Amino acid sequence: NAGVTQTPKFQVLKTGQSMTLQCAQDMNHNSMYWYRQDPGMGLRLIYYSASEGTTDKGEVPNGYNVSRLNKREFSLRLESAAPSQTSVYFCASSVAGGGGVEQYFGPGTRLTVT
Amino acid sequence: AQSVSQHNHHVILSEAASLELGCNYSYGGTVNLFWYVQYPGQHLQLLLKYFSGDPLVKGIKGFEAEFIKSKFSFNLRKPSVQWSDTAEYFCAVNDGSNYQLIWGAGTKLIIKP
Repeated sequence: NAGVTQTPKFQVLKTGQSMTLQCAQDMNHNSMYWYRQDPGMGLRLIYYSASEGTTDKGEVPNGYNVSRLNKREFSLRLESAAPSQTSVYFCASSVAGGGGVEQYFGPGTRLTVT
Repeated sequence: AQSVSQHNHHVILSEAASLELGCNYSYGGTVNLFWYVQYPGQHLQLLLKYFSGDPLVKGIKGFEAEFIKSKFSFNLRKPSVQWSDTAEYFCAVNDGSNYQLIWGAGTKLIIKP
């Protein structure tokens, strides 16, 4: 049981390049989340997927797109990376949606945009 | 907008010292409250949570937190810390109306052996 996995662990991009961060969970959870974490700030929600086939914007969605490929997988795409997107990205999942439910986190992806 | 404030960004303690990490939030209604922890090299994981009932909540590894509604606080405590408690601790709040958790900036705790 791997829990929540993310790839890659580290990535360096040049401004304007695109990339997709992958996330998968093997806990049969319905809901999945993408966060970013910046120094001195808490985690901020980028996008959320309550269930397969649905996605919703979070607090900071600009510059990102997501795909809930199936129940297990939820990817985050940067179409044209900018230095402001340098951050650590966390994927999480929970049994159901709603803020009162425990979320399970992946190890994070450290992204640097130069 | 809701906000969550963690008072100390860095705390250094010796083993066996008592710990209290502060967390205050801005929302005045019903809240769900969480403390998460990230040990070095590990994933963020839930330490404890409060939804309702007894305001003193016990979590894993001897941690507890007290919800004081009048002070909008949910402080984390441990009577005697160990070197293995070295980690970053995050407070998070949800107002129950949607899925969004609002997170504090985190407190990095270092325990000197």
